[in-house]
Amino acid sequence: AQSVAQPEDQVNVAEGNPLTVKCTYSVSGNPYLFWYVQYPNRGLQFLLKYITGDNLVKGSYGFEAEFNKSQTSFHLKKPSALVSDSALYFCAVRDMNTGFQKLVFGTGTRLLVSP
Amino acid sequence: GAGVSQSPSNKVTEKGKDVELRCDPISGHTALYWYRQSLGQGLEFLIYFQGNSAPDKSGLPSDRFSAERTGGSVSTLTIQRTQQEDSAVYLCASSFRGQGPEAFFGQGTRLTVV
Repeated sequence: AQSVAQPEDQVNVAEGNPLTVKCTYSVSGNPYLFWYVQYPNRGLQFLLKYITGDNLVKGSYGFEAEFNKSQTSFHLKKPSALVSDSALYFCAVRDMNTGFQKLVFGTGTRLLVSP
Repeated sequence: GAGVSQSPSNKVTEKGKDVELRCDPISGHTALYWYRQSLGQGLEFLIYFQGNSAPDKSGLPSDRFSAERTGGSVSTLTIQRTQQEDSAVYLCASSFRGQGPEAFFGQGTRLTVV
């Protein structure tokens, strides 16, 4: 069964500094990988996805993520953090080889960007 | 509609009562998911519908939980004899058929069992 791990409950970064939110995955076949963001009292919003092709994926709000097959990782990055980036971030994976394409989420990482 | 719509947005119920939560997916989306999110926690998978295939019910926590999807569109999640531990935000998402597309989420239903 597929799974996702987000090893950090919280990431703290100063505004203007680069940020990284970590995600590792486990699937039996090839993965489809996603990042979502949840702002306070809001639903989940899609940020970006990796399906195939370039390992560096660019998404909304200046975020990007790098797919690393050898390390089974899909870390979320942004070159310069904003206070408004403070939110809860979820990594998710879908196993393309399974009949049912259940989307499995990590436990989430809270990002806190200080002014 | 333009997005996934869930109703009600908030529901307070007494312990032991049954509740029904509704999800209207984006038109044309064949896949529909239900997740549960406890306060500040991650997303717990509940059930997944894909077209006319039998749903993946592997995440339903007990037989008090059930869900159906009528006509391949609207879905209802039913919780019977609610317990306080059922209090959470219930999120619905939908996506196009296929392996690549992302899922779009509704705003959720906040269920409080008192």
